[in-house]
Amino acid sequence: QVQLVQSGAEVKKPGSSVKVSCKASGGTFSSYAISWVRQAPGQGLEWMGGIIPIFGTANYAQKFQGRVTITADESTSTAYMELSSLRSEDTAVYYCANGEAVAENWGQGTLVTVSS
Amino acid sequence: QSVLTQPPSVSGAPGQRVTISCTGSSSNIGAGYDVHWYQQLPGTAPKLLIYGNSNRPSGVPDRFSGSKSGTSASLAITGLQAEDEADYYCQSYDSSLSGFWVFGGGTKLTVL
Repeated sequence: QVQLVQSGAEVKKPGSSVKVSCKASGGTFSSYAISWVRQAPGQGLEWMGGIIPIFGTANYAQKFQGRVTITADESTSTAYMELSSLRSEDTAVYYCANGEAVAENWGQGTLVTVSS
Repeated sequence: QSVLTQPPSVSGAPGQRVTISCTGSSSNIGAGYDVHWYQQLPGTAPKLLIYGNSNRPSGVPDRFSGSKSGTSASLAITGLQAEDEADYYCQSYDSSLSGFWVFGGGTKLTVL
């Protein structure tokens, strides 16, 4: 069973960037996909993008193209999601999840608050 | 607006059966892509409930079942229990520019 542990909550100013980490244990990190999904307060789930570490290339939802960067460090079994040009609407809980077609396991979530 | 459409809410009394629908289009469910379901209890991360349309991960009670037909899918919960009160989301793959993973807007299940 893969376990995913995310970094802690962040408070950011509008226009800045945030980088959230997701450390995996169990399984072979380089071979399984990691996706990032966010959930705004009281809202549903929204896929942002994903990466398969062994391939290194990330895919992004069109909505976030140019603003999000997903990377993976195989040496530490850690995936990262960086979101730039933050605005208030980016206030949300950000989750990482493993699985290529389905989110098999989820991280605990990281609350990112964007406020001036 | 979500790519997959779910009813905002459903309710049922303990012991009853409820179903939650998930309607997509020809670029996702109708294209033959699998549908998966997640349960999100209040204040927690989502948890995989059904994968590949109708398969249950280890530990998920057989009270939960899934099905798919055409451009739609359904989640059925029988023998409703108080602890089933949660938000439920469907998810599939979409071949259009809307994104690789697409989700329904979520359905709030209330156990009366």
